[in-house]
Formats: sequence, C-alpha cells, structure tokens
Amino acid sequence: RKEVEQDPGPFNVPEGATVAFNCTYSNSASQSFFWYRQDCRKEPKLLMSVYSSGNEDGRFTAQLNRASQYISLLIRDSKLSDSATYLCVVPGRGSQGNLIFGKGTKLSVKP
Amino acid sequence: DAGVIQSPRHEVTEMGQEVTLRCKPISGHNSLFWYRQTMMRGLELLIYFNNNVPIDDSGMPEDRFSAKMPNASFSTLKIQPSEPRDSAVYFCASSLDWDEKLFFGSGTQLSVL
Repeated sequence: RKEVEQDPGPFNVPEGATVAFNCTYSNSASQSFFWYRQDCRKEPKLLMSVYSSGNEDGRFTAQLNRASQYISLLIRDSKLSDSATYLCVVPGRGSQGNLIFGKGTKLSVKP
Repeated sequence: DAGVIQSPRHEVTEMGQEVTLRCKPISGHNSLFWYRQTMMRGLELLIYFNNNVPIDDSGMPEDRFSAKMPNASFSTLKIQPSEPRDSAVYFCASSLDWDEKLFFGSGTQLSVL
C-alpha cells in the first residue's frame, strides 16, 4: 500500500449536495492527520486537523478509522466556493516532520 | 501579519543555469519546509529545517539541489545546474514546530527550458 492514497476525482456535485472523500494510509503508527485545501494555482491551506475522536467544523466533518487505516472528509450543503482540491496529509515514516501529502481529490460544485 | 514570503513568483531559465529560490518564514516559526509540486508526483517534501538546522534532506532529488538557512528569517533553495525536469512549483512553508500546522508561501513557478 502506498504511504497515502486518494481518489483523484473529479467529484462533480450540485450545490447543496453532501460529498465525502476518503484517504488511505500505510503507516499504522501515524498519530497526526490533516486535510488541506488547495485552490487552482494557489498554495495549500489547512482545512482541518483530524483527531482520533473525529472533528467537526461547521459543514465539514473529518473522521479517522485506525482499524482500516483511512481518514475521511465530509462536506455537507456544498457551496460553489468549496470547489478546490482537497489534500490528505499523514506523517511519513522516518524523521519527525516528514509529512506526506496525498495527490488530492478535486471537487467541483456546480450551480 | 505577513505570511511566508517567497521570491521570485515566476522563474524562467535555460537548462544548465543556476536557480536560487528564496523564502522568508513567518516570524517566530521554528520549522521551515521546502516542497515541490508537479502534476505527476503531487507535493513532495524536499528538506526541512528546525531551528535553522537541516533535519531531513532525504527528499532532495540529487546533488544539484542544495538548501541553506543561515538565520531564522531566511532560507534558500538552489539548483545548479538546472534541468527541464526540475520544472515545477516550489513551495516554502513554516510552522511553529515540526508537528504544527504548515503555513505555505505563494510558491515559485519554475520553468527550465
């Protein structure tokens, strides 16, 4: 299994839809997980940290499943402004600070 | 507050030339990271520093790449000689510590012809 894998998409959804992304990881010792958002031709920005108990921030919910080694991001009531690429981030093997970014899942929200 | 500042925003150069990318991290941040992003490989960590000391440079592709952090407010990534396959967006990021959230600069779009 690759260190981190994401479905590249694109996910094309209408406004108001609920959409979920999964991200699988291989390092079972990983403790910290994150979701970043990247707009076209922009830098990545932190969207959410993923805690073992799950994490909710408004329309966004992030969850961790250690047994199956995946994290998920759920977006409710999608807005046009949610259109972006969502990057899953997990600690890599080796030195601390080695964060591995997934290649991202592209979301396009249509009117 | 100023974020992470990178320069230049765009760089176009010819194969064989030396390229120097610059980064000013957020004041007070102890960790600095250099990433490279391409369509094929996504975001790859090249090197990161903690308190100005290189901690992990295993992602540096080869000896043509070098990075320095002479002080807490400045870092450079140098490619000498540059090759067309080095064309990518290079991001610098900083964080309070190695396990804190990353703040990215706007990136340098490098094109090597």
